[in-house]
Amino acid sequence: DTAVSQTPKYLVTQMGNDKSIKCEQNLGHDTMYWYKQDSKKFLKIMFSYNNKELIINETVPNRFSPKSPDKAHLNLHINSLELGDSAVYFCASSSNTNEKLFFGSGTQLSVL
Amino acid sequence: AQKITQTQPGMFVQEKEAVTLDCTYDTSDPSYGLFWYKQPSSGEMIFLIYQGSYDQQNATEGRYSLNFQKARKSANLVISASQLGDSAMYFCAMRELYGGSQGNLIFGKGTKLSVKP
Repeated sequence: DTAVSQTPKYLVTQMGNDKSIKCEQNLGHDTMYWYKQDSKKFLKIMFSYNNKELIINETVPNRFSPKSPDKAHLNLHINSLELGDSAVYFCASSSNTNEKLFFGSGTQLSVL
Repeated sequence: AQKITQTQPGMFVQEKEAVTLDCTYDTSDPSYGLFWYKQPSSGEMIFLIYQGSYDQQNATEGRYSLNFQKARKSANLVISASQLGDSAMYFCAMRELYGGSQGNLIFGKGTKLSVKP
């Protein structure tokens, strides 16, 4: 069983569209995250979500919104997609702040 | 200021030789953790090794070891007996318990390792 699964793996869409990326973890972890990896491979934290507390990186545009229906899921919704949103988005989870992160396989988002 | 610095954008190593990937970090938090991840060309993020700031001994996991020098704020990854499958991007990361990163894992820019046959 995949520990952290995210779908879709590839997402190609037009500018201005709204899209969602789903993430589920079956590890029983308390904290989930979204990271963005740009074309230079730099990984940057976007959000972390722990026990209904959302911590947002201040550089993330408000077009991005995480939605957590329950502890095992943290979906990423993106409104009004822009060219600069093209990147690989990784979901991750951990059991507590001292533990390693388990990553999903990533979603390659291409905005045309 | 950068929290995690990886000064080697790319490295080459001969198969079966050892290689050291450099990582320095910046924190005033007394409690933190240091991590190394591998990202092969397939794209997944693979956890390699962890070192806690209070750990007395350097962490080791199979062919991976972490050369932790706290006073110098460095956490270099040593890969022994390199294999062709070690060719990948390697990321150093840090998590501060009480610092500005709010417990999130902050990554360096990565080092691309290429193993030559």
